[in-house]
Amino acid sequence: DTAVSQTPKYLVTQMGNDKSIKCEQNLGHDTMYWYKQDSKKFLKIMFSYNNKELIINETVPNRFSPKSPDKAHLNLHINSLELGDSAVYFCASSTNYGYTFGSGTRLTVV
Amino acid sequence: AQSVTQLGSHVSVSEGALVLLRCNYSSSVPPYLFWYVQYPNQGLQLLLKYTTGATLVKGINGFEAEFKKSETSFHLTKPSAHMSDAAEYFCAVSGLRNTDKLIFGTGTRLQVFP
Repeated sequence: DTAVSQTPKYLVTQMGNDKSIKCEQNLGHDTMYWYKQDSKKFLKIMFSYNNKELIINETVPNRFSPKSPDKAHLNLHINSLELGDSAVYFCASSTNYGYTFGSGTRLTVV
Repeated sequence: AQSVTQLGSHVSVSEGALVLLRCNYSSSVPPYLFWYVQYPNQGLQLLLKYTTGATLVKGINGFEAEFKKSETSFHLTKPSAHMSDAAEYFCAVSGLRNTDKLIFGTGTRLQVFP
């Protein structure tokens, strides 16, 4: 039973396209996050949602739009993809006791 | 504001040698501290965490870390390295609320030589 699952695992797309990454957690956590890991392995938070409400938006370009239809899901939609968007995107969820990460989505923009 | 500094982007040890990965944090509130491991092309796995209580924290795979408030440090150690320990290790800090974000250090790549 996967706790935090992301789809797809790999995504290769052309510049200018629009794509979405989906995330679902079955842990009952109230808070979910999107993190971006760049080519140098640096992990930086992008967004967080608590009970479907946006609480953190870390100066991410407007081309990135998170959507949380319910507290178990947090999807990430990216418009007009650019080469610099190539990275691994991790979804996570949390309680007071810690954070659980998905296995990541490797996005390659060509 | 919170931040994490990991000293040494690369650490190399021989199999069987002591592993020491350094982490210093900055936090204006009592922190929660974490170590995560990332194997090549995989996700993040929690090694151990410090929240409250005992300052020496034991984690999985024989790793442990000690929270030293006076030194603002949370160094990760393992007495005897194994080849399978080769991976990227991330120290992270968060606040106490379940909505607080996790702030990561820049990571340390551990290489283990036979």
